[in-house]
Amino acid sequence: EPEVTQTPSHQVTQMGQEVILRCVPISNHLYFYWYRQILGQKVEFLVSFYNNEISEKSEIFDDQFSVERPDGSNFTLKIRSTKLEDSAMYFCASSEALGRGTDTQYFGPGTRLTVL
Amino acid sequence: AQTVTQSQPEMSVQEAETVTLSCTYDTSESDYYLFWYKQPPSRQMILVIRQEAYKQQNATENRFSVNFQKAAKSFSLKISDSQLGDAAMYFCAYRSLYNNNDMRFGAGTRLTVKP
Repeated sequence: EPEVTQTPSHQVTQMGQEVILRCVPISNHLYFYWYRQILGQKVEFLVSFYNNEISEKSEIFDDQFSVERPDGSNFTLKIRSTKLEDSAMYFCASSEALGRGTDTQYFGPGTRLTVL
Repeated sequence: AQTVTQSQPEMSVQEAETVTLSCTYDTSESDYYLFWYKQPPSRQMILVIRQEAYKQQNATENRFSVNFQKAAKSFSLKISDSQLGDAAMYFCAYRSLYNNNDMRFGAGTRLTVKP
């Protein structure tokens, strides 16, 4: 069964550094998402992406964050100048479309980001 | 804004028994989706079951079923014949059909299965 994959599984970085989290969505999916889960807290929506542009973003997704689909398979989340509070699990998800029966979001295994 | 509430931070069940996890939500929309996701220690989010609000019939997936009460805005998950592998964090989630394509998650319920 097709899966969403994410790399790396764990990323450790120094405060102020830039990180890029990578995701490979399911191949026929058109909608891509990033979520964040700070340890012990809820999963929070960050951004959704369709047709090479952001379609929705939350208040968390400020200028520090950016997303990109650099090629036909990868979907990346870049965090510039990381802060301690960016430490969290970051989940990528994808869905085939938005219509009924095709809009279920399938999640990747997550990347644990630790900012020191 | 839509909110999702899971009032049980932790639940435990004996292996082979049945357990029900509660979820309520708040929305002014008439059509939407509801989901239960399972997050085992590996941290991967796995879709367990989904319900479309316009469908009156409760969704069922093998040992997992929901009790969807639209008027009460309640969406509980029943796990029958619990297995050790069911031990995980369970998240209830709401997704709007109209306004946006993000999902709102509850705080989660940690399920322990006792052998």
